[in-house]
Amino acid sequence: SQQGEEDPQALSIQEGENATMNCSYKTSINNLQWYRQNSGRGLVHLILIRSNEREKHSGRLRVTLDTSKKSSSLLITASRAADTASYFCATESNFGNEKLTFGTGTRLTIIP
Amino acid sequence: DAMVIQNPRYQVTQFGKPVTLSCSQTLNHNVMYWYQQKSSQAPKLLFHYYDKDFNNEADTPDNFQSRRPNTSFCFLDIRSPGLGDAAMYLCATSSYAGEEQFFGPGTRLTVL
Repeated sequence: SQQGEEDPQALSIQEGENATMNCSYKTSINNLQWYRQNSGRGLVHLILIRSNEREKHSGRLRVTLDTSKKSSSLLITASRAADTASYFCATESNFGNEKLTFGTGTRLTIIP
Repeated sequence: DAMVIQNPRYQVTQFGKPVTLSCSQTLNHNVMYWYQQKSSQAPKLLFHYYDKDFNNEADTPDNFQSRRPNTSFCFLDIRSPGLGDAAMYLCATSSYAGEEQFFGPGTRLTVL
């Protein structure tokens, strides 16, 4: 399976602190995406980074990509209670198979 | 607002009784996906359509079928649900395969 692995599986931090979660994958990719899922809901796309990009920002989110290590990280700065959710990375391989492969997810809890 | 709609949000069925889940989109996207997500797990792709071109995942059980009668609608049929099919079923769309996906809120399926 080319499913990605995320680390840590669960993370609890105080409101206002920064949260970092990591994703590792196995095959060469075209892009890597991060999604958020609130409990019992659908996923929401956060950011997409392409294989020729190393870093991308969106608001309080910062994503890095290291294709040599087959890894990515998502940093959420100045966390808020509303950031409590599960976060998944997803990769599109460069085999042209038209689909995303999701990682195992990190469960983030922000303590008010 | 453009969106992905899933009906019903909650579905209870009996063991072996066929069930159909529906998904509609107002985004006019070419690609539609069906995922199965069990508790605390990553979404697992069942199949996807690129326009009318159907793509089945190799490990999707024959018990699961899908129809896409037009661009806007896609259905997931579970012919004989088993207890192991209880899960959240997520529909997603994307304009191009491998790009950002837009998810519906999901249908929570319970099998009694």
